[in-house]
Amino acid sequence: AQSVSQHNHHVILSEAASLELGCNYSYGGTVNLFWYVQYPGQHLQLLLKYFSGDPLVKGIKGFEAEFIKSKFSFNLRKPSVQWSDTAEYFCAVNFGADSNYQLIWGAGTKLIIKP
Amino acid sequence: KAGVTQTPRYLIKTRGQQVTLSCSPISGHRSVSWYQQTPGQGLQFLFEYFSETQRNKGNFPGRFSGRQFSNSRSEMNVSTLELGDSALYLCASTPMTGGYGTEAFFGQGTRLTVV
Repeated sequence: AQSVSQHNHHVILSEAASLELGCNYSYGGTVNLFWYVQYPGQHLQLLLKYFSGDPLVKGIKGFEAEFIKSKFSFNLRKPSVQWSDTAEYFCAVNFGADSNYQLIWGAGTKLIIKP
Repeated sequence: KAGVTQTPRYLIKTRGQQVTLSCSPISGHRSVSWYQQTPGQGLQFLFEYFSETQRNKGNFPGRFSGRQFSNSRSEMNVSTLELGDSALYLCASTPMTGGYGTEAFFGQGTRLTVV
């Protein structure tokens, strides 16, 4: 069965530190990839997505992610985090027909930014 | 454009009771998915409806059911509530345009507490 792994469940950083959150998925076929963010008390919202083309994708609030097909990875990055980036981050993958076009979710990473 | 609306926002029920949650998708979106979110399990897929038909179902017991109406509004029902059903229930709507990979838009969720 298809799966999505987020290896870091909790990350604590200081402001201005660089961020990289890992996301790996099983499967070797065509996938569409997403990162969602859930700020405290708010609904899940899309940070960025990859469908095709340039494997380096830029999203909102200075986030970017790189799709590396050979590593089945879609890691999220931000060069300099802010206190307002404190949130839970979810990676999700659509495996197409092999997952009935459903999103398969990682377990999430709770990010805490110390002011 | 109005977002995904879930009602009620908060609910407290007693073990053994049943509950119905409602979701109004974004206008024009025909696919509605339901998720259960808990601190330990992350986002767990419940089911997805498209054009009033359940297309996909997650690994939940038969006490969890749903339906979708002709206006794309969806309800989910949980019967014989158990303490473990306490969770945030999220609804997401997707503008299915024939392919996969389209973004899911989430509501604020219904926080269900079973006592």
